[in-house]
Amino acid sequence: SYELTQPPSVSVSPGQTASITCSGDKLGDKYVYWYQQKPGQSPVLVIYQDTNRPSGIPARFSGSNSGNTATLTISGTQAMDESDYYCQAWDSSIAVVFGGGTKLTVL
Amino acid sequence: QLHLQESGPGLVKPSETLSLTCTVSGGSISSSSYYWGWIRQPPGRGLEWIGSIYYSGSTYYNPSLKSRVTISVDTSKNQFSLKMSSVTAADTAVYYCARHLPPATTMIDSWGQGTLVAVSS
Repeated sequence: SYELTQPPSVSVSPGQTASITCSGDKLGDKYVYWYQQKPGQSPVLVIYQDTNRPSGIPARFSGSNSGNTATLTISGTQAMDESDYYCQAWDSSIAVVFGGGTKLTVL
Repeated sequence: QLHLQESGPGLVKPSETLSLTCTVSGGSISSSSYYWGWIRQPPGRGLEWIGSIYYSGSTYYNPSLKSRVTISVDTSKNQFSLKMSSVTAADTAVYYCARHLPPATTMIDSWGQGTLVAVSS
């Protein structure tokens, strides 16, 4: 079955750029979605179809997807961005697949 | 504003069947544009998709759970439901219902608040 791999944790200083990767076989051929989840809350979509931001998501969130890796980038990271982030894609072998999640720490 | 609300027992005994219902308000479950799904998250762990259903009743499931899972829809009540049989402690999780776009896109654009289901005797 298809798997998406994320680093368990990423640390960033306030105001700096955070990059969270998501890897999978030929992932660039698929659409990737990114979700932000804060403790005790439901996930929230922050990037869809690789690069697009839903209404209400700050412009500091951006995404890319090429080859085997998709990347969520947060520019000018703020303390409020400290969360868990999950990538998600669709594959014919499993349908909906999530990455294992990355805990972003802003310190 | 679409709202999804999970309901069901918070405690299930091992080997029994877990049953949850998601009530949709602020929109029609019979929309041709969306699928309706269940996703779970064990405590301290990541998200796992369980399965999804279209208003017509068409379903697709996570292959790893397919043998134990049934998802159904009741368009008259604007609800869809999850049944998972033969549960074990490994099925303890927060269960979310959600709305997403059709297969090959599957963007999840709306989530319920989640409900914690513990499997314990």
